[in-house]
Amino acid sequence: DSGVTQTPKHLITATGQRVTLRCSPRSGDLSVYWYQQSLDQGLQFLIQYYNGEERAKGNILERFSAQQFPDLHSELNLSSLELGDSALYFCASSVAEYMGNEQYFGPGTRLTVT
Amino acid sequence: AQSVTQLDSHVSVSEGTPVLLRCNYSSSYSPSLFWYVQHPNKGLQLLLKYTSAATLVKGINGFEAEFKKSETSFHLTKPSAHMSDAAEYFCVVSQLDTGRRALTFGSGTRLQVQP
Repeated sequence: DSGVTQTPKHLITATGQRVTLRCSPRSGDLSVYWYQQSLDQGLQFLIQYYNGEERAKGNILERFSAQQFPDLHSELNLSSLELGDSALYFCASSVAEYMGNEQYFGPGTRLTVT
Repeated sequence: AQSVTQLDSHVSVSEGTPVLLRCNYSSSYSPSLFWYVQHPNKGLQLLLKYTSAATLVKGINGFEAEFKKSETSFHLTKPSAHMSDAAEYFCVVSQLDTGRRALTFGSGTRLQVQP
């Protein structure tokens, strides 16, 4: 158990809809990272927040957004969903501000768009 | 720009035999390198990391990796495979890229362990 929690574990929704994925980092970690893992694209870094502020952006679509709240939990919002958004979404946390340190991954949320 | 190549998408070994998972990277500057493991339906777990200290890095579960700058490689090894090692393994490189730290994941190597 990494100490990172993600909810929900599974999510099934229809195209065009909007969903919110939630992540709670390990106690003491200030950085939260979001990743998308799909069969065709592999593991893709989406975005990082550190202590409430955006720190780094990866291959995140404009339809996706994220935020980190004062209690350090984070939410990833996915809107106007398409079939191709079906994937595993992982959250990771680390104590450091920059990405060079090890990260601790949550169990993931499996999103299925029908 | 940095990149990381995992040379084998699948590796199959027999239980008790050595494991070698190959990783090559390209990096303009001294990188940090990691190996993560992902068991089915689980998140990724850090196996080991290299951050410019000793070139031979020991990790959890008997795994180790050697950083070879001249070969730009960071291969993962284990002397004797166990059934529980069956999983997907990711090589990851982190370095400064246009003033910001960037993290790049390899495409993964699926390790099968035969009884």
